[in-house]
Amino acid sequence: AQSVTQPDIHITVSEGASLELRCNYSYGATPYLFWYVQSPGQGLQLLLKYFSGDTLVQGIKGFEAEFKRSQSSFNLRKPSVHWSDAAEYFCAVGAKRAGTASKLTFGTGTRLQVTL
Amino acid sequence: DSGVTQTPKHLITATGQRVTLRCSPRSGDLSVYWYQQSLDQGLQFLIQYYNGEERAKGNILERFSAQQFPDLHSELNLSSLELGDSALYFCASSVVAAGELFFGEGSRLTVL
Repeated sequence: AQSVTQPDIHITVSEGASLELRCNYSYGATPYLFWYVQSPGQGLQLLLKYFSGDTLVQGIKGFEAEFKRSQSSFNLRKPSVHWSDAAEYFCAVGAKRAGTASKLTFGTGTRLQVTL
Repeated sequence: DSGVTQTPKHLITATGQRVTLRCSPRSGDLSVYWYQQSLDQGLQFLIQYYNGEERAKGNILERFSAQQFPDLHSELNLSSLELGDSALYFCASSVVAAGELFFGEGSRLTVL
């Protein structure tokens, strides 16, 4: 069974500082990996995804993530955080499957607070 | 805007009652997924439909049921509601074989 661990429940960073959110996954084969962001009262918005190829993927809003197979990790990074980045961030894993996309399994989320 | 539409956005009801949540997927998406988000359980996968047929089932209670209609919209039916069913219910849809899910803004259910 696939699973995702986000070890940090809550992170606080200063505006302009760099950010790294950790994500570890468990899956028997090469997974699909995703980062989603949820602002209060909103749905989940896809930040970026990894399917195959280059292990460093770029997403929206200046975010990037690196897939490290040896560490079963897919950490999210941003070089300079903006106050508008305050939200909850979810890492998710899905299975590679022919036909339709499989369900995604989500981590418990990391709440990011940005101080001015 | 993800293109996934969920109604109603908010719903308040009493224990023992039944409610129906509705989801319209993005145009052209054949798969619909239902998730429940609560403070203690996080985001839990409930069920997936693909082109009208159930494709995968997760932690969905027997009191809950879903279906996907020929026009591809989906409904999640929750019956004999309990206080613990209070949560945000998300619908998502996907493009065949793409892997990523597009989420609606959710239906917030409060059971009193």
